[in-house]
Amino acid sequence: QKEVEQNSGPLSVPEGAIASLNCTYSDRGSQSFFWYRQYSGKSPELIMFIYSNGDKEDGRFTAQLNKASQYVSLLIRDSQPSDSATYLCAVNVQAGTALIFGKGTTLSVSS
Amino acid sequence: DARVTQTPRHKVTEMGQEVTMRCQPILGHNTVFWYRQTMMQGLELLAYFRNRAPLDDSGMPKDRFSAEMPDATLATLKIQPSEPRDSAVYFCASGLGSVNTQYFGPGTRLTVL
Repeated sequence: QKEVEQNSGPLSVPEGAIASLNCTYSDRGSQSFFWYRQYSGKSPELIMFIYSNGDKEDGRFTAQLNKASQYVSLLIRDSQPSDSATYLCAVNVQAGTALIFGKGTTLSVSS
Repeated sequence: DARVTQTPRHKVTEMGQEVTMRCQPILGHNTVFWYRQTMMQGLELLAYFRNRAPLDDSGMPKDRFSAEMPDATLATLKIQPSEPRDSAVYFCASGLGSVNTQYFGPGTRLTVL
């Protein structure tokens, strides 16, 4: 069974710190990796995705992928209270197919 | 501002009743996904369609759930009969078949008493 594992948290960081969120996946055939943010009572919102090993940066967010270790991470620099949300990691094996989601990590950024 | 719409946003019903949820994908998107989210299980795929044809409904209890796309602008998810364990938030998402980005609707929060 294909699985995506995340620590449920909560992960608590002070404002301005770096938040590090981690995810592992079981299917070595996974091709694409996604990070979604979900505020309480809202729908998931795509933050970024990554296909290749290494780092991908978008503003304050950096996604890191290590396919050999089957590990994906999301770094949030200069964390803000507005970043407080649940972060969902997701993978799929082919473009346009359904995503397999982890259960999410709750991040709390204190001011 | 293109977005996925879902109706109803909230539904409270009694066990045994039929529930129908509707989704309007973003115009031009040819792939529609139905996901269910609970605290215990997280987000799980129920079914998805491409060009209105079902590609995968393995996540859906076949005896009570059915999903259809009567046309390119409407996807429906039906539960008959509903049970308390069906209480969850049901999300519809749409995308283009060859592209990975999926856009989620606001969800339907279903409570079965």
